[in-house]
Amino acid sequence: NAGVTQTPKFQVLKTGQSMTLQCAQDMNHNSMYWYRQDPGMGLRLIYYSASEGTTDKGEVPNGYNVSRLNKREFSLRLESAAPSQTSVYFCASRAPTGDHEQYFGPGTRLTVT
Amino acid sequence: GQSLEQPSEVTAVEGAIVQINCTYQTSGFYGLSWYQQHDGGAPTFLSYNGLDGLEETGRFSSFLSRSDSYGYLLLQELQMKDSASYFCAVRKNNQGGKLIFGQGTELSVKP
Repeated sequence: NAGVTQTPKFQVLKTGQSMTLQCAQDMNHNSMYWYRQDPGMGLRLIYYSASEGTTDKGEVPNGYNVSRLNKREFSLRLESAAPSQTSVYFCASRAPTGDHEQYFGPGTRLTVT
Repeated sequence: GQSLEQPSEVTAVEGAIVQINCTYQTSGFYGLSWYQQHDGGAPTFLSYNGLDGLEETGRFSSFLSRSDSYGYLLLQELQMKDSASYFCAVRKNNQGGKLIFGQGTELSVKP
């Protein structure tokens, strides 16, 4: 049971480049989330998916798109990276109703120059 | 709007008790969670309060007062390994379990 996995662990992009951050969970969870964390700050929700086939915006969705490919996978895409998107990105998942815990992946450290 | 406030830093000594407070302003409040994050690591779940009162899990307890929009995390018998950042997070009502996080409290435990 790997839990929540994220790839890549580290990435450096130039301004204007695009990339997709991958997230997968093997816990059969319905809900999945993408957060960003800037230095010394809390986590801010970018997008979430309450169940397979649905996605919704969080607090800071601008500049990002998501795809809930299937129940296991939830990807985050930066179409045209900007230095303001330099951050650590965490993916999380949550079991069906009744479980309040979100399980986080190890994070992707992204630098945009 | 919505906001959560918690102290930015707390320092305590090994073996002591420390309380980290969290006040929130939000619509559609469902419950309050606490997460721990060690430097460079992923957040890990500590506790959840959906109802008023105290929840105890080992050395950690969490309290919620919905009428005061206030909660706290209590850490007892502090150990060096408890040095980490602690985040309170509001769970919103009927919104896919999404969380709004506070900015975190950095706890330093000294010998």
